[in-house]
Amino acid sequence: DSGVTQTPKHLITATGQRVTLRCSPRSGDLSVYWYQQSLDQGLQFLIQYYNGEERAKGNILERFSAQQFPDLHSELNLSSLELGDSALYFCASSRRGDRGKETQYFGPGTRLLVL
Amino acid sequence: DQQVKQNSPSLSVQEGRISILNCDYTNSMFDYFLWYKKYPAEGPTFLISISSIKDKNEDGRFTVFLNKSAKHLSLHIVPSQPGDSAVYFCAASGGNFNKFYFGSGTKLNVKP
Repeated sequence: DSGVTQTPKHLITATGQRVTLRCSPRSGDLSVYWYQQSLDQGLQFLIQYYNGEERAKGNILERFSAQQFPDLHSELNLSSLELGDSALYFCASSRRGDRGKETQYFGPGTRLLVL
Repeated sequence: DQQVKQNSPSLSVQEGRISILNCDYTNSMFDYFLWYKKYPAEGPTFLISISSIKDKNEDGRFTVFLNKSAKHLSLHIVPSQPGDSAVYFCAASGGNFNKFYFGSGTKLNVKP
């Protein structure tokens, strides 16, 4: 158990809909990262938040957005969903994340299926 | 733009033998590398890391080798055990931000 929790575990929805994925980092971790893993692909970095502020952005679509709240939990919002958005979405956290060379601890992921 | 590549999607090894998983990267700015292990229905779990100031890091049965000139790293597992069967991802980062680039993974199967 990494100490990172993600809800829900599974999500099935239809094209055009909007969903929210939730992540609670390990106690004391200030940074949260979101990754997308499509079938047979590696993890694609989406976005990082550090202590409530956006820190780094990766291959995140404009239809997707995220935020980190004062209690440090984070939400990833996916809107106007398309079939290709079906994937595993992982959240990871690290203690600081602003100086590199820091291990990230991953949650169990949310499996999203868009029909 | 795949900056970290794992060219072998799968590897099968007999229990007790050595498993060697390979990873190549293209960005010379990368200076920190990690290996993660992932079981089905779970998130990736940190295994071992190496900074670019070293060329080898060892932790029990796991050793990571870094060849900066070839932009190549490898993970050696000796001896391999059936419980090591999982997907292994290499990841790399550089600079001040903790932004990692992951390879596509290698599925290791250790046969009893």
